[in-house]
Amino acid sequence: GNSVTQMEGPVTLSEEAFLTINCTYTATGYPSLFWYVQYPGEGLQLLLKATKADDKGSNKGFEATYRKETTSFHLEKGSVQVSDSAVYFCALNDQAGTALIFGKGTTLSVSS
Amino acid sequence: DGGITQSPKYLFRKEGQNVTLSCEQNLNHDAMYWYRQDPGQGLRLIYYSQIVNDFQKGDIAEGYSVSREKKESFPLTVTSAQKNPTAFYLCASRPQRGVNYGYTFGSGTRLTVV
Repeated sequence: GNSVTQMEGPVTLSEEAFLTINCTYTATGYPSLFWYVQYPGEGLQLLLKATKADDKGSNKGFEATYRKETTSFHLEKGSVQVSDSAVYFCALNDQAGTALIFGKGTTLSVSS
Repeated sequence: DGGITQSPKYLFRKEGQNVTLSCEQNLNHDAMYWYRQDPGQGLRLIYYSQIVNDFQKGDIAEGYSVSREKKESFPLTVTSAQKNPTAFYLCASRPQRGVNYGYTFGSGTRLTVV
């Protein structure tokens, strides 16, 4: 079945540093891919998504490109802020399109 | 504004008690989901419902029960059979099943056994 693997954290950066959080997937067909963000004590919020190969999702300075050839959907941001400190989840639909499968999450901590 | 409301935000359960977590949405979404979140384990699917009066077990349904009597509501009961219920519970919804739809999440309920 479909699955997703994302890099383990925590990722610790200084403000204005470049961010990459790796996400790779295994899937039948070409599912939509998602990045969600979770701030402490809250639910998850959709950060961005891509629905087909070579699509680039973007939001709030974050970007991720759907790479079919490398089965990847890495999250990037050129200059992180303290307010970006959160847990980031990569996700895709299961094979039947019934529910989303989430990675284990990557904790990002940004210091000033 | 449309959204998903989970209540209560914090819940304490004594050993042997059943407790019910509320999830209400006003987004007119067909599909609703319950996930459990534990540190370092990501989100695990408990139950989901694609339509009123129908629901299916997810990966970790043992010790939990749900109902879907109204489109807007999908309550989760944590029964005494769930041996390790302390966790953060998240409810989500989306317009319908399908590969292009993401979820809208509630703000979660933190359940603690005392």
